[in-house]
Amino acid sequence: DIQMTQSPSTLSASVGDRVTITCRASQNINGWLAWYQQKPGKAPKLLIYRASSLESGVPSRFSGSGSGTEFTLTISSLQPDDFATYYCQQYNSYRTFGQGTKVEIK
Amino acid sequence: QVQLQESGPGLVKPSQTLSLTCTVSGGSISNSNYYWSWIRQPAGKGLEWIGRIYTSGSTNYNPSLKSRVTISVDTSKTQFSLKLSSVTAADTAVYYCARVAGDRGGDFDYWGQGTLVTVSS
Repeated sequence: DIQMTQSPSTLSASVGDRVTITCRASQNINGWLAWYQQKPGKAPKLLIYRASSLESGVPSRFSGSGSGTEFTLTISSLQPDDFATYYCQQYNSYRTFGQGTKVEIK
Repeated sequence: QVQLQESGPGLVKPSQTLSLTCTVSGGSISNSNYYWSWIRQPAGKGLEWIGRIYTSGSTNYNPSLKSRVTISVDTSKTQFSLKLSSVTAADTAVYYCARVAGDRGGDFDYWGQGTLVTVSS
């Protein structure tokens, strides 16, 4: 099984802040990584696929990077709509999600 | 615009079988570029992948659930289904169906809204 570990678990930030979330895989996942945003009571929404490709319609303030076992999601300037929980997910072997990072208002 | 909608009982008794259906609209369920998955999320917890099915009928399941899971597809009805047997309270969760973008590796690009299934007598 490939384990995905996100950090931090919770992040307090203000509107306009640059925010970075890290996701670490237990083995090389060859760039097969996606990031999702989830708001309470809603289904997750795809933000980034293939580690760094922005899904259509997603604001350009979201970006992804990384390779091998370490990946990051960056929000360049946090907006009010961005307060949510973010999950990484590997799809190199079956599917595994990280435990989530909650971005809350500071 | 592709839409997915889960349906099924919201309450299942312990030891019984949970059965859910996902209806796909706005796109072809038979398109070989895509396949179809189930994911669940217990209240206040993270996401767990349950399994996937190709339109050929080929399946892959989460090893931790494999002995209890069956996913099937009915292309004529543009539906795919989940059966989870011998349920316990630990299977209480919001269940999501999702489309898998197989043409670009396998991320989940469209999701249903989710349906809460409670296991309780």
